[in-house]
Amino acid sequence: DVKVTQSSRYLVKRTGEKVFLECVQDMDHENMFWYRQDPGLGLRLIYFSYDVKMKEKGDIPEGYSVSREKKERFSLILESASTNQTSMYLCASSVHRGYNEQFFGPGTRLTVL
Amino acid sequence: RKEVEQDPGPFNVPEGATVAFNCTYSNSASQSFFWYRQDCRKEPKLLMSVYSSGNEDGRFTAQLNRASQYISLLIRDSKLSDSATYLCVVTGTGTASKLTFGTGTRLQVTL
Repeated sequence: DVKVTQSSRYLVKRTGEKVFLECVQDMDHENMFWYRQDPGLGLRLIYFSYDVKMKEKGDIPEGYSVSREKKERFSLILESASTNQTSMYLCASSVHRGYNEQFFGPGTRLTVL
Repeated sequence: RKEVEQDPGPFNVPEGATVAFNCTYSNSASQSFFWYRQDCRKEPKLLMSVYSSGNEDGRFTAQLNRASQYISLLIRDSKLSDSATYLCVVTGTGTASKLTFGTGTRLQVTL
């Protein structure tokens, strides 16, 4: 079974803090994705990566950055957390560029106070 | 206009009922189509792909109408365990791996 894990299920941070969300997949997938999910807005793509050290902006990259130093790990960074970044963050991976099915991690519920 | 539009529901149906969800998408060049299922407080999981010829998986039938840019999901003989949010998903052009998700339709199956 594909396993995508995220470092925390729940996280509470203060405005202005730097926040790291970690995602690890154990199936040697090439593609990794970060989404946020908000009521009424659905899942929105923040950043994605097709390979190590490679990243592409999604639909809502502002206020976020990412890092992919190893194939299995994709980190989402909030340089200076703001209250409007309170959300559910979901990481996903897929096998390779032309393969669509994405496998999701359990999500991190981030609250920024 | 949203790229993928769904009726948010909720759809409240009794066990054994047949229920249909619809979805429209705006990008006529979209190449692949899916239904994902998301249980309460859980991550989305692929339910089934959707093909122009229609496809069936047990009690679930998915249909695609490219001319109308319309996707449907039919669930027959609903079970309590079918209660979840159903997400309509399409891929864009150029970057086949990118998925665009609808906001989901919530289904509640009751006794």
